Amino acid sequence: DQQVKQNSPSLSVQEGRISILNCDYTNSMFDYFLWYKKYPAEGPTFLISISSIKDKNEDGRFTVFLNKSAKHLSLHIVPSQPGDSAVYFCAAPDPTGTASKLTFGTGTRLQVTL
Amino acid sequence: DAGITQSPRHKVTETGTPVTLRCHQTENHRYMYWYRQDPGHGLRLIHYSYGVKDTDKGEVSDGYSVSRSKTEDFLLTLESATSSQTSVYFCATGTAYNEQFFGPGTRLTVL
Repeated sequence: DQQVKQNSPSLSVQEGRISILNCDYTNSMFDYFLWYKKYPAEGPTFLISISSIKDKNEDGRFTVFLNKSAKHLSLHIVPSQPGDSAVYFCAAPDPTGTASKLTFGTGTRLQVTL
Repeated sequence: DAGITQSPRHKVTETGTPVTLRCHQTENHRYMYWYRQDPGHGLRLIHYSYGVKDTDKGEVSDGYSVSRSKTEDFLLTLESATSSQTSVYFCATGTAYNEQFFGPGTRLTVL
């Protein structure tokens, strides 16, 4: 049972335009979400997070939006840069808080073209 | 940077042989995790540890075992490697605040 889903395996965006990466979840107990970024041959690194008490969190070019009623979150990157080309994973912590476990989506590969 | 190293970084082995992957951290984080990354599956949790000698299974634990005898080291063992265990393996550490920190990964190929 995939509790966190990223239905778009890949996305191509032109440099300077907006990139929108989507994530859906099924467990209504999730109350916190994280986005990780992964470059080839490296481990994932934390990018941005959002608590369920907010519907938006912004950090520079990156903004995450949360729609609790739709169980949907999205990551916006504006403007997109070639260095943003990576795989992006959304993740949610285990609602029981057990060992700070995370459930990850399948990832979206973003390609920013010149 | 949580100071996480993994060894080896690359390994090729044959079906049926035992394999041990090592994760070492220098940040004294309480929690440690082993994930595998496969196309179409994202990151899946194999095993995790919530303290020395305290470990538990994740969602894809069959064929894997772990040990944690010291806070800084978390070992993942494939008792008898199979081709389905060809993957990229990531170690991560965590604190009580949900964020996890990942190592650079180990690419394992089982022939």
